[in-house]
Amino acid sequence: DSGVTQTPKHLITATGQRVTLRCSPRSGDLSVYWYQQSLDQGLQFLIQYYNGEERAKGNILERFSAQQFPDLHSELNLSSLELGDSALYFCASSSVHMAGTQYFGPGTRLTVL
Amino acid sequence: EDKVVQSPLSLVVHEGDTVTLNCSYEVTNFRSLLWYKQEKKAPTFLFMLTSSGIEKKSGRLSSILDKKELFSILNITATQTGDSAVYLCAVALDDKIIFGKGTRLHILP
Repeated sequence: DSGVTQTPKHLITATGQRVTLRCSPRSGDLSVYWYQQSLDQGLQFLIQYYNGEERAKGNILERFSAQQFPDLHSELNLSSLELGDSALYFCASSSVHMAGTQYFGPGTRLTVL
Repeated sequence: EDKVVQSPLSLVVHEGDTVTLNCSYEVTNFRSLLWYKQEKKAPTFLFMLTSSGIEKKSGRLSSILDKKELFSILNITATQTGDSAVYLCAVALDDKIIFGKGTRLHILP
């Protein structure tokens, strides 16, 4: 158990819908990272927050957004969902910005029908 | 364009063999290189490398970084069936993290 929690574990929804994925980092970690893993694309970095501020941005679509709250938990919002958004979404946390060990949560499996 | 390339893509060996996994990179603003093991769940951290030439070791696994030639290797000695997994290499930059496609390792009993 990494100490990073993610909810929900599985999510099945229809195209065009909007979903919110939630992540709680390890106690004391200030950085939260979001990743998307699909069979054809591998693990893709989406976005990173450090102590409530966006600090790094990867291949995140405009339909996706994220935020980190004062209690350091983070949410990833996916809207206007398409079939191709079906993937495993991981959250990871670390104590510092873009350095140090990243601890991954168990992931949320999103299926868009 | 920043990129991380792992080789081989797939490897099948017998238990007890030694394997070497490769990771090369072309990036700007390098901060660190990380190795992860991924079985049927979330990646688990193996090593973080920031300095050239210093070997990191954990049991039968070891890794080293060459910042001049821009590559890293992950060695696994005396492999066991429990080592079967996808091994991911990632490079952390100032403003993003790039993962390689991974090396799928399968250990035959």
